[in-house]
Amino acid sequence: NAGVMQNPRHLVRRRGQEARLRCSPMKGHSHVYWYRQLPEEGLKFMVYLQKENIIDESGMPKERFSAEFPKEGPSILRIQQVVRGDSAAYFCASSPRELTASGNTIYFGEGSWLTVV
Amino acid sequence: DAKTTQPNSMESNEEEPVHLPCNHSTISGTDYIHWYRQLPSQGPEYVIHGLTSNVNNRMASLAIAEDRKSSTLILHRATLRDAAVYYCILHTSGTYKYIFGTGTRLKVLA
Repeated sequence: NAGVMQNPRHLVRRRGQEARLRCSPMKGHSHVYWYRQLPEEGLKFMVYLQKENIIDESGMPKERFSAEFPKEGPSILRIQQVVRGDSAAYFCASSPRELTASGNTIYFGEGSWLTVV
Repeated sequence: DAKTTQPNSMESNEEEPVHLPCNHSTISGTDYIHWYRQLPSQGPEYVIHGLTSNVNNRMASLAIAEDRKSSTLILHRATLRDAAVYYCILHTSGTYKYIFGTGTRLKVLA
């Protein structure tokens, strides 16, 4: 079974450009989560989406960041007008059911490393 | 804030067992204990999880204290490929997120 697929694996953007990160969940999974990992830190939750719905975006910066998970196609994390502080690894995870249900777990992709120059 | 406390780093010799401790003194009755590991330049990999009873799978064992205030991840025979950062996470039922701490960096010596 294919795991969570993320692309691109590495992305370099100049300050002010836009970054688009894509995530295809595992087959049969309809719940997607995005996490960010700054250098030498642990992962921080950003957003949780189901198909066509944002359920929890409490970890998303209020400006420049947006996420979607359309009916067809991958989930997209979009960062507009990138700044150096956006340089980080962005991880997508998926689950077959809501994480809220007891005992469920989520599976992470390999990550997308964004470097802003 | 992370609800777990782990040592920053540990070392083990190859082929020997490794016990990675985790303290979670504020755990509530419905919190599950999850362990993930992250190899360099990769995403977190699920290792094991449990609620009250000890758990075994092909990767590791999870020993949970009777009062649930601590747990231990056991790798039965460490290999060089087990060198990673190991995260102990409490997941509260009803929430959508994991709260990661800084984990334990395991070094395996040949």
